Amino acid sequence: GDSVTQMEGPVTLSEEAFLTINCTYTATGYPSLFWYVQYPGEGLQLLLKATKADDKGSNKGFEATYRKETTSFHLEKGSVQVSDSAVYFCAPLDKLIFGTGTRLQVFP
Amino acid sequence: NAGVMQNPRHLVRRRGQEARLRCSPMKGHSHVYWYRQLPEEGLKFMVYLQKENIIDESGMPKERFSAEFPKEGPSILRIQQVVRGDSAAYFCASSQTGTGDGYTFGSGTRLTVV
Repeated sequence: GDSVTQMEGPVTLSEEAFLTINCTYTATGYPSLFWYVQYPGEGLQLLLKATKADDKGSNKGFEATYRKETTSFHLEKGSVQVSDSAVYFCAPLDKLIFGTGTRLQVFP
Repeated sequence: NAGVMQNPRHLVRRRGQEARLRCSPMKGHSHVYWYRQLPEEGLKFMVYLQKENIIDESGMPKERFSAEFPKEGPSILRIQQVVRGDSAAYFCASSQTGTGDGYTFGSGTRLTVV
Protein backbone atom coordinates (compact mmCIF):
# COMPACT_ATOMS: atom_id res chain seq x y z
CA GLY A 1 0.00 0.00 0.00
CA ASP A 2 0.90 3.65 -0.07
CA SER A 3 3.36 4.78 2.58
CA VAL A 4 5.75 7.50 3.64
CA THR A 5 9.11 6.96 5.31
CA GLN A 6 10.86 9.74 7.20
CA MET A 7 14.20 9.71 8.92
CA GLU A 8 13.91 9.09 12.61
CA GLY A 9 14.53 11.86 15.05
CA PRO A 10 15.38 13.64 17.01
CA VAL A 11 17.65 15.65 14.79
CA THR A 12 19.77 17.85 16.99
CA LEU A 13 21.61 20.80 15.47
CA SER A 14 23.34 23.97 16.52
CA GLU A 15 21.97 27.27 15.34
CA GLU A 16 23.01 28.15 11.75
CA ALA A 17 23.72 24.52 10.86
CA PHE A 18 22.48 22.95 7.62
CA LEU A 19 19.36 20.81 7.88
CA THR A 20 18.24 17.82 5.85
CA ILE A 21 15.25 15.68 6.77
CA ASN A 22 14.79 12.75 4.41
CA CYS A 23 11.41 11.66 3.12
CA THR A 24 10.63 8.91 0.63
CA TYR A 25 7.26 7.67 -0.42
CA THR A 26 5.61 4.82 -2.23
CA ALA A 27 2.32 5.56 -3.92
CA THR A 28 0.33 4.75 -6.98
CA GLY A 29 0.76 7.61 -9.35
CA TYR A 30 2.47 10.89 -8.49
CA PRO A 31 0.58 12.72 -5.80
CA SER A 32 1.21 16.26 -4.63
CA LEU A 33 3.71 16.23 -1.77
CA PHE A 34 3.66 18.38 1.34
CA TRP A 35 5.73 19.21 4.38
CA TYR A 36 3.92 20.22 7.54
CA VAL A 37 5.36 21.56 10.77
CA GLN A 38 3.97 21.10 14.28
CA TYR A 39 5.12 23.43 17.04
CA PRO A 40 4.68 22.26 20.64
CA GLY A 41 1.06 22.11 21.72
CA GLU A 42 -0.28 23.11 18.34
CA GLY A 43 -1.80 21.58 15.24
CA LEU A 44 0.02 21.08 11.98
CA GLN A 45 0.76 23.99 9.69
CA LEU A 46 1.47 23.71 6.01
CA LEU A 47 5.13 24.54 5.39
CA LEU A 48 5.53 23.93 1.66
CA LYS A 49 4.30 21.80 -1.18
CA ALA A 50 5.14 20.56 -4.68
CA THR A 51 2.52 19.36 -7.10
CA LYS A 52 4.57 17.60 -9.80
CA ALA A 53 7.95 16.09 -10.54
CA ASP A 54 10.93 18.46 -10.35
CA ASP A 55 8.84 21.12 -8.62
CA LYS A 56 10.58 22.86 -5.75
CA GLY A 57 8.50 24.05 -2.83
CA SER A 58 9.94 26.73 -0.59
CA ASN A 59 8.89 28.77 2.42
CA LYS A 60 10.62 30.48 5.37
CA GLY A 61 14.04 29.37 4.11
CA PHE A 62 12.98 25.72 3.80
CA GLU A 63 13.08 23.94 0.45
CA ALA A 64 12.12 20.53 -0.91
CA THR A 65 12.29 19.18 -4.46
CA TYR A 66 9.93 16.53 -5.76
CA ARG A 67 12.22 13.80 -7.20
CA LYS A 68 10.20 11.31 -9.18
CA GLU A 69 13.18 9.09 -10.00
CA THR A 70 14.04 8.56 -6.34
CA THR A 71 10.49 9.06 -5.02
CA SER A 72 11.87 11.51 -2.50
CA PHE A 73 10.94 14.91 -1.10
CA HIS A 74 13.75 15.79 1.30
CA LEU A 75 13.42 18.95 3.38
CA GLU A 76 16.42 21.29 3.57
CA LYS A 77 17.34 24.57 5.17
CA GLY A 78 20.66 26.28 4.90
CA SER A 79 20.79 27.83 8.35
CA VAL A 80 18.43 26.72 11.09
CA GLN A 81 17.29 28.84 14.00
CA VAL A 82 16.20 27.91 17.51
CA SER A 83 12.66 28.88 16.50
CA ASP A 84 12.68 26.08 13.90
CA SER A 85 12.55 23.51 16.70
CA ALA A 86 9.39 21.50 15.98
CA VAL A 87 8.19 18.22 14.51
CA TYR A 88 8.17 18.00 10.73
CA PHE A 89 5.82 15.75 8.78
CA CYS A 90 6.09 14.65 5.16
CA ALA A 91 2.84 13.74 3.43
CA PRO A 92 1.40 12.85 0.05
CA LEU A 93 -1.87 14.30 1.16
CA ASP A 94 -4.30 12.91 -1.32
CA LYS A 95 -3.35 9.54 0.11
CA LEU A 96 -4.46 10.68 3.58
CA ILE A 97 -1.25 9.44 5.20
CA PHE A 98 1.57 11.12 7.11
CA GLY A 99 5.06 10.05 7.95
CA THR A 100 5.92 9.47 11.58
CA GLY A 101 7.31 12.93 11.91
CA THR A 102 10.87 14.03 12.62
CA ARG A 103 11.58 16.09 15.70
CA LEU A 104 14.12 18.87 15.16
CA GLN A 105 15.89 20.41 18.13
CA VAL A 106 18.05 23.45 17.51
CA PHE A 107 20.33 24.72 20.26
CA PRO A 108 21.94 28.16 20.47
CA ASN B 1 -11.58 34.19 8.50
CA ALA B 2 -11.31 31.86 11.43
CA GLY B 3 -9.34 28.71 10.79
CA VAL B 4 -10.43 25.23 11.69
CA MET B 5 -11.98 25.41 15.14
CA GLN B 6 -11.85 22.47 17.48
CA ASN B 7 -13.39 22.25 20.89
CA PRO B 8 -12.90 21.58 23.59
CA ARG B 9 -9.15 22.14 23.63
CA HIS B 10 -8.76 19.78 26.57
CA LEU B 11 -11.17 17.07 27.64
CA VAL B 12 -10.93 14.81 30.68
CA ARG B 13 -13.15 11.77 30.91
CA ARG B 14 -13.36 8.87 33.32
CA ARG B 15 -13.15 5.37 31.95
CA GLY B 16 -16.52 4.28 30.55
CA GLN B 17 -17.76 7.79 29.79
CA GLU B 18 -18.40 9.24 26.35
CA ALA B 19 -16.21 11.81 24.65
CA ARG B 20 -17.56 14.15 21.97
CA LEU B 21 -15.05 16.17 19.98
CA ARG B 22 -16.20 18.96 17.70
CA CYS B 23 -14.65 20.40 14.57
CA SER B 24 -15.85 23.36 12.55
CA PRO B 25 -14.05 23.49 9.20
CA MET B 26 -12.84 26.63 7.54
CA LYS B 27 -15.48 28.62 5.74
CA GLY B 28 -16.01 27.19 2.30
CA HIS B 29 -14.41 23.83 3.14
CA SER B 30 -16.61 20.80 2.76
CA HIS B 31 -14.04 18.06 3.39
CA VAL B 32 -13.14 17.09 6.93
CA TYR B 33 -10.48 14.66 8.18
CA TRP B 34 -9.83 13.36 11.67
CA TYR B 35 -6.43 12.19 12.86
CA ARG B 36 -5.19 10.81 16.16
CA GLN B 37 -1.76 11.48 17.59
CA LEU B 38 -0.47 9.44 20.47
CA PRO B 39 2.30 10.94 22.62
CA GLU B 40 5.60 11.09 20.75
CA GLU B 41 4.06 9.44 17.69
CA GLY B 42 2.95 10.53 14.25
CA LEU B 43 -0.53 11.21 12.98
CA LYS B 44 -2.78 8.30 12.25
CA PHE B 45 -5.62 8.84 9.81
CA MET B 46 -9.02 7.97 11.21
CA VAL B 47 -11.82 9.15 8.95
CA TYR B 48 -12.59 11.39 5.98
CA LEU B 49 -16.02 12.98 5.66
CA GLN B 50 -17.91 15.30 3.41
CA LYS B 51 -21.21 16.83 4.32
CA GLU B 52 -23.52 14.03 5.42
CA ASN B 53 -21.24 11.35 3.99
CA ILE B 54 -18.41 9.20 5.27
CA ILE B 55 -15.93 8.85 2.42
CA ASP B 56 -13.21 6.77 4.07
CA GLU B 57 -13.28 5.35 7.58
CA SER B 58 -10.50 2.83 7.12
CA GLY B 59 -8.59 4.23 10.09
CA MET B 60 -11.44 4.16 12.57
CA PRO B 61 -11.54 1.45 15.22
CA LYS B 62 -14.51 -0.78 14.52
CA GLU B 63 -16.01 -0.37 17.96
CA ARG B 64 -16.81 2.62 20.17
CA PHE B 65 -15.75 5.23 17.60
CA SER B 66 -18.06 7.07 15.24
CA ALA B 67 -17.97 10.28 13.23
CA GLU B 68 -20.46 12.47 11.50
CA PHE B 69 -20.54 15.68 9.51
CA PRO B 70 -24.14 16.84 9.35
CA LYS B 71 -25.58 19.26 6.83
CA GLU B 72 -25.64 21.93 9.49
CA GLY B 73 -23.15 22.26 12.30
CA PRO B 74 -19.72 20.92 13.10
CA SER B 75 -18.25 17.51 12.50
CA ILE B 76 -18.37 15.32 15.60
CA LEU B 77 -16.02 12.53 16.59
CA ARG B 78 -17.66 10.42 19.24
CA ILE B 79 -15.90 7.90 21.45
CA GLN B 80 -18.11 5.75 23.60
CA GLN B 81 -16.99 3.98 26.79
CA VAL B 82 -13.55 5.53 26.71
CA VAL B 83 -10.52 3.59 27.92
CA ARG B 84 -7.09 4.82 28.98
CA GLY B 85 -5.67 3.91 25.58
CA ASP B 86 -7.93 6.52 23.96
CA SER B 87 -5.89 9.27 25.60
CA ALA B 88 -4.35 11.20 22.72
CA ALA B 89 -4.53 14.41 20.75
CA TYR B 90 -7.23 14.37 18.12
CA PHE B 91 -6.76 16.71 15.19
CA CYS B 92 -9.27 17.78 12.64
CA ALA B 93 -8.33 19.17 9.24
CA SER B 94 -10.39 20.58 6.42
CA SER B 95 -9.88 21.24 2.75
CA GLN B 96 -11.79 22.83 -0.06
CA THR B 97 -11.53 20.21 -2.75
CA GLY B 98 -10.03 17.18 -1.04
CA THR B 99 -7.48 16.61 -3.77
CA GLY B 100 -3.99 17.80 -3.08
CA ASP B 101 -4.64 21.40 -2.18
CA GLY B 102 -3.35 20.91 1.31
CA TYR B 103 -5.17 20.79 4.59
CA THR B 104 -5.80 23.36 7.27
CA PHE B 105 -5.51 21.86 10.72
CA GLY B 106 -7.18 22.78 13.95
CA SER B 107 -5.26 23.07 17.20
CA GLY B 108 -6.53 19.72 18.37
CA THR B 109 -8.43 18.29 21.31
CA ARG B 110 -6.32 16.63 23.95
CA LEU B 111 -8.30 13.82 25.51
CA THR B 112 -7.21 12.42 28.83
CA VAL B 113 -8.94 9.36 30.20
CA VAL B 114 -8.52 8.89 33.94
